Amino acid sequence: EAGVAQSPRYKIIEKRQSVAFWCNPISGHATLYWYQQILGQGPKLLIQFQNNGVVDDSQLPKDRFSAERLKGVDSTLKIQPAKLEDSAVYLCASSLQRAPSTDTQYFGPGTRLTVL
Amino acid sequence: AQTVTQSQPEMSVQEAETVTLSCTYDTSESDYYLFWYKQPPSRQMILVIRQEAYKQQNATENRFSVNFQKAAKSFSLKISDSQLGDAAMYFCAYRSAQRGSARQLTFGSGTQLTVLP
Repeated sequence: EAGVAQSPRYKIIEKRQSVAFWCNPISGHATLYWYQQILGQGPKLLIQFQNNGVVDDSQLPKDRFSAERLKGVDSTLKIQPAKLEDSAVYLCASSLQRAPSTDTQYFGPGTRLTVL
Repeated sequence: AQTVTQSQPEMSVQEAETVTLSCTYDTSESDYYLFWYKQPPSRQMILVIRQEAYKQQNATENRFSVNFQKAAKSFSLKISDSQLGDAAMYFCAYRSAQRGSARQLTFGSGTQLTVLP
């Protein structure tokens, strides 16, 4: 089975520019997560989708970050405009959303963003 | 809100030896799940082991086992017969099991494990 795909793997931009990341979850996975991982820290959830609806976006900086999951499959995360503190690895994960005891999140390789 | 603390930023172990990584957490919930994830330089997070809070028996997966102390809110990972491929950043994570809760993970800050040949 193919894993979670993300692109690009690396991105370097100037502050105040815009950037978008793409994620393709594992086929059939209803739930999709975007995490932000700043260097030296653990990942922090930005937004969670269940199919194409938002379950939790309480930690998403909505003045500059946006995300969508059209048709309940692929998702894009956008930053506009970027700030220096947005430099991080952006991880996408998906899960089948079966019984809680067996539900597992599978992670993609991440996109490393550097804002200069 | 739940918090996860990993107090060891770095650890090292000789190949074939045993190492224990520590994790403590804070929660007011009685039912939850705990996880250890491994993140090699490729950045892909890989699930190592999980523990259901309602189970008293400690989880094991081959060379990996946990010591789950619910009252102390402690969840340590033991790696036996360490191999060079075990070198990575290890994250402890918490997930609520409350009915209707979103299933996002709350991560600790990680422990960088070095395996010495």
